[in-house]
Amino acid sequence: KNEVEQSPQNLTAQEGEFITINCSYSVGISALHWLQQHPGGGIVSLFMLSSGKKKHGRLIATINIQEKHSSLHITASHPRDSAVYICAIPQMNYGGATNKLIFGTGTLLAVQP
Amino acid sequence: ETGVTQSPTHLIKTRGQQVTLRCSSQSGHNTVSWYQQALGQGPQFIFQYYREEENGRGNFPPRFSGLQFPNYSSELNVNALELDDSALYLCASSKFGQGAKNIQYFGAGTRLSVL
Repeated sequence: KNEVEQSPQNLTAQEGEFITINCSYSVGISALHWLQQHPGGGIVSLFMLSSGKKKHGRLIATINIQEKHSSLHITASHPRDSAVYICAIPQMNYGGATNKLIFGTGTLLAVQP
Repeated sequence: ETGVTQSPTHLIKTRGQQVTLRCSSQSGHNTVSWYQQALGQGPQFIFQYYREEENGRGNFPPRFSGLQFPNYSSELNVNALELDDSALYLCASSKFGQGAKNIQYFGAGTRLSVL
């Protein structure tokens, strides 16, 4: 079983739709990352959150530490949002969170005009 | 723009050859991590360097090696290339230490094809 699981794996939406991508993890963490990867490979960090909710423009990320679950929401989706969205958690050791990230396999989002 | 640059962007090698990939970290960052991302998969951790010393390693054989330089730029070297080494190689820099936020900044990656 992967330590980080995302759903759905693929998502097609119409422009303007509200989108939700889910991430579940199986170990205790201090924070969770949401990342965006466009075709060609470059990865951009969207959020790092350890509790509650964060908002940046049309993107909202929430996390429930007790339930080991996080969601990424996109409001008023646009074709330029088309990308792979990846959640990642830091590997924990006796010293706490390390800088090593464990990634989910990603959600491929296609927003059609 | 993350301030992390990787070179080259694309590379084609043949099986058995050696390759060196380069990463220039964001200014002020003392930690660099390298990841391998196979097609359709999430990135897999290769290793991390902190202040020029290896600071953790994933499940990769010794023919994957690295260096971090005093200016915090970094290299990933792969010897005896195999077909399965074909992937996107990502580096990520961060500032590790008291008060650091542990946010990693990724480069655009180097796409390696082994024929």
